[in-house]
Amino acid sequence: NAGVTQTPKFRVLKTGQSMTLLCAQDMNHEYMYWYRQDPGMGLRLIHYSVGEGTTAKGEVPDGYNVSRLKKQNFLLGLESAAPSQTSVYFCASSYQKYGYTFGSGTRLTVV
Amino acid sequence: KQEVTQIPAALSVPEGENLVLNCSFTDSAIYNLQWFRQDPGKGLTSLLLIQSSQREQTSGRLNASLDKSSGRSTLYIAASQPGDSATYLCAVYTGANSKLTFGKGITLSVRP
Repeated sequence: NAGVTQTPKFRVLKTGQSMTLLCAQDMNHEYMYWYRQDPGMGLRLIHYSVGEGTTAKGEVPDGYNVSRLKKQNFLLGLESAAPSQTSVYFCASSYQKYGYTFGSGTRLTVV
Repeated sequence: KQEVTQIPAALSVPEGENLVLNCSFTDSAIYNLQWFRQDPGKGLTSLLLIQSSQREQTSGRLNASLDKSSGRSTLYIAASQPGDSATYLCAVYTGANSKLTFGKGITLSVRP
């Protein structure tokens, strides 16, 4: 029972580099989400998707892009990484509003 | 805008104590409330989910209650153990923007 799988688990980027974080779920959930977690700030929603081919902005979308080409995958892209994007990124999925399942996180450092 | 508050931010108790973790939210128009556990450096594990029509949910030594009208939830942990040491987060789903709003969590330390 894989649930929600995030890759990679750790990454160090230089300022200005780009990267893509991958989230995959095997529960046939319609809804998927990307959060970031920072000390003292809690979890904040970056982008989310309510179905294949759809995306929407959350609380802190600037500097990030997302795509949901397949129902089971939700990609988070950083086009030009900045030190302010150093954070732990969590992906989650849910069957509509009925409970969330989280991945184990990606720890990203931008130097 | 929904706001979720968890106070205190940290709590230290001796093993065996029964304890209550509090969560309050500002907008009572919620669909559900979920309690999560997060161990250091790890992801979030769902503990209990309470639908808006429910008053409480139980799982083992954990019991979560919900009072929508007052905007409060409590997580009761019976006979606490050192293995219960973790951060406990409360989150509410309001339907607006289809998202959970999280509290900042309570870091619990259970001393042997």
